[in-house]
This record gives sequence, structure tokens and C-alpha cells, in this order.
Amino acid sequence: NAGVTQTPKFQVLKTGQSMTLQCAQDMNHNSMYWYRQDPGMGLRLIYYSASEGTTDKGEVPNGYNVSRLNKREFSLRLESAAPSQTSVYFCATRTSGGKETQYFGPGTRLLVL
Amino acid sequence: GENVEQHPSTLSVQEGDSAVIKCTYSDSASNYFPWYKQELGKRPQLIIDIRSNVGEKKDQRIAVTLNKTAKHFSLHITETQPEDSAVYFCAASIGGNSGYALNFGKGTSLLVTP
Repeated sequence: NAGVTQTPKFQVLKTGQSMTLQCAQDMNHNSMYWYRQDPGMGLRLIYYSASEGTTDKGEVPNGYNVSRLNKREFSLRLESAAPSQTSVYFCATRTSGGKETQYFGPGTRLLVL
Repeated sequence: GENVEQHPSTLSVQEGDSAVIKCTYSDSASNYFPWYKQELGKRPQLIIDIRSNVGEKKDQRIAVTLNKTAKHFSLHITETQPEDSAVYFCAASIGGNSGYALNFGKGTSLLVTP
């Protein structure tokens, strides 16, 4: 039972390159979230998916797209990476039924040169 | 949207002392307030949470208090130990209307010195 997994752990991109961050969970949770964490800024919500087939924008969605591939997987895509997207990206999941607790993945550290 | 302010940004205490971290929120519809601990290079881990129908909750050395009228909540750690050293984040959620998304404070770096 791996919980929430993220790949890759670390990535270096050049400005303008694209990449997809992967998140998968085996907890049968309905909701999934993508946050970014920058020094001194806390965690900020990029996108979330309340259930399979739905996605919604969070606080900082510009420059990102998401796909809720199935109940287990929620990917985050950077179409044209910018240095401002250098950050640590965390995926999180939440079960259903009004329970609010979110469980975080180990994170992906992204450096855009 | 919801705005969560967290203070102080850094806190240094001696082992055995108490530590208090305070957060305020702006949206009176917020009804869920978790606290996360993040060690260096690790993921945030939930340590305690409180819902708006409760004023205080305690779990061993950790307690959280909530004042809905003033829209602030606090984390209290008693008998601190060096392993309590980490960054602590408060958060608030307005529940289903926002997909239960969390709005985080900017974090408090706690250092417990032996």
C-alpha cells in the first residue's frame, strides 16, 4: 500500500520545454489536488479534481493544465516551462463523505533554467 | 478568496518550553482547520485538526484552539523536544463549495534547542 506516489522526484528543464508530473494513489480517494510550494510562500493550490472526470482551477493555475486520467491518477502538465515555475510540487488526495483530511505525496522538485 | 495569515514566521524555544503558533483567517465560511508539520525535504504531515463546531482539541503534547468570532486559531506544543523542530503550516477550508481545498499560511519554522 504505497499511498500517494509522485514521479519524477526531481527534474531539470530548460525554459520553453514541456513536461508532465504524475501522481497516483491507491487509497481509493475521490479528490486529488496539486499544490506548489515556494520558499516563504506556503503551499498554494494549482488545480484540483473533486472526483473522476472533473477538474477546477485553484489559486495559481496559469501556465498549467491537468488531467484526471482515472480515479487513481491526476497529472499536471507544464506546456512551456518558465523559471517562475521552479518549485516543489505536491500532490494530495482526500477521501469522500465530507471528510476533509488531505494526504500528501512525497513531492517533485522542479528546476527551470 | 480565503486568506490565512500565520505568525511568527520563525520561532526558537528551548527544549521543554512551550511553543505557540497563531493563524487568522478571513472567510467566516471556513469550517476546517488542519495543522501540518513538514520536516526538511519531506512531505507535509497532518498533526492535528479542528472543526468549527469545536473550540479546543488536544492530542498528547499538541493542542489546537479555535476562536470563530475572532477568526483565529492557534497551535500549542508543550514540553518541546528537538524532534519537534520543523516547519509548521496552518490551513483553512470552506468545505465542499471549494472542493475541500486547503488555503495555507506561509509557515512557521520552529527550532527547539537542547
